[in-house]
Amino acid sequence: EAQVTQNPRYLITVTGKKLTVTCSQNMNHEYMSWYRQDPGLGLRQIYYSMNVEVTDKGDVPEGYKVSRKEKRNFPLILESPSPNQTSLYFCASSLSGEAEQYFGPGTRLTVT
Amino acid sequence: DAKTTQPNSMESNEEEPVHLPCNHSTISGTDYIHWYRQLPSQGPEYVIHGLTSNVNNRMASLAIAEDRKSSTLILHRATLRDAAVYYCILNPNAGNMLTFGGGTRLMVKP
Repeated sequence: EAQVTQNPRYLITVTGKKLTVTCSQNMNHEYMSWYRQDPGLGLRQIYYSMNVEVTDKGDVPEGYKVSRKEKRNFPLILESPSPNQTSLYFCASSLSGEAEQYFGPGTRLTVT
Repeated sequence: DAKTTQPNSMESNEEEPVHLPCNHSTISGTDYIHWYRQLPSQGPEYVIHGLTSNVNNRMASLAIAEDRKSSTLILHRATLRDAAVYYCILNPNAGNMLTFGGGTRLMVKP
């Protein structure tokens, strides 16, 4: 089944403790993205990647890092999480820049 | 960045057609018009997209104005499962940058 998977689905952590949210797609897609969704602010793009080793900032990249060492994986790294990064995070992938994006199920992160 | 404007909410009766409008008066020539929807507690789901011509797929139809400054998503027969937030987004076909606005919350009454 074609899908985007994210792990973990739920995470509660403390301020400053490094964490990684994994994202994997099995559709051989070139493009991958990370979004965060907050009440009243909608979905905002954090980072995106057009191919292996090619990444670029989205609208809200501060406090996040990404890497794209393999085509199928696009992990989101929070080196020193803070409470304002408490949010619902979605990973997405697409075949090309103008094609439809496929979204993962989301990761709900709480930073205390 | 080109922005879209959608009504905050709309209501429909089950089994009736629904027309969801979107204004994008600053659209550029290479922007694709994408529609996604988000059901409660789920990630966004692709619905349809187009550039200039009207498009149909199994989920919906997309009607694009001749000047491309507006578009309408058409659900031919609304069901209770279509209750969701619908987002109209301009995809600049450059690097996969999507900006989601507030969307339209569609409520479907039985």
